[in-house]
Amino acid sequence: DTGVSQDPRHKITKRGQNVTFRCDPISEHNRLYWYRQTLGQGPEFLTYFQNEAQLEKSRLLSDRFSAERPKGSFSTLEIQRTEQGDSAMYLCASSFNGGVYEQYFGPGTRLTVT
Amino acid sequence: GEDVEQSLFLSVREGDSSVINCTYTDSSSTYLYWYKQEPGAGLQLLTYIFSNMDMKQDQRLTVLLNKKDKHLSLRIADTQTGDSAIYFCAESKDTGRRALTFGSGTRLQVQP
Repeated sequence: DTGVSQDPRHKITKRGQNVTFRCDPISEHNRLYWYRQTLGQGPEFLTYFQNEAQLEKSRLLSDRFSAERPKGSFSTLEIQRTEQGDSAMYLCASSFNGGVYEQYFGPGTRLTVT
Repeated sequence: GEDVEQSLFLSVREGDSSVINCTYTDSSSTYLYWYKQEPGAGLQLLTYIFSNMDMKQDQRLTVLLNKKDKHLSLRIADTQTGDSAIYFCAESKDTGRRALTFGSGTRLQVQP
């Protein structure tokens, strides 16, 4: 088991460009979460999937953000028309739908919008 | 609404015990977690406690929960320089999305 992986680790983009991040969860985990972390703060919930279904989106997730998990395995998070305020660490976590629901985090994708 | 608060900074000497404190407001919180984050890295789950427990011990880590006061603490015994990191307290419910609500983190600095 290699844990949760995310790609890329760092992304620098110009304002107005689109970016896409990928998350590969722990293989037997059917829940997948996206969080955003800004400097000096704890992570904030963005959205989550159970298998391939996106069950909830935070009000932090504007219309420029879209997330998918097409086959219930990896997930992508796309940000369209990036703004400087989108600069943050985007963290993915996965858990098994049962028991304590411990969430295991990936290393994150740090996005810088210039 | 949900709110989790932590003190910002703690400095201890190597070999001493560290105690990191957290308060939360939502009485329906079911699980409380401690995560560790090193610079530029993701979050590492250290331990968790159910809301119906008072204490949990795991090697050098001791978690104390005062449910009446909604106060959670993490004690690290024999603190080492490798323990220097940001520690996050988080809570979740037993239903629905079970997403984590985090505090702002406590930076632990361990001086040799």
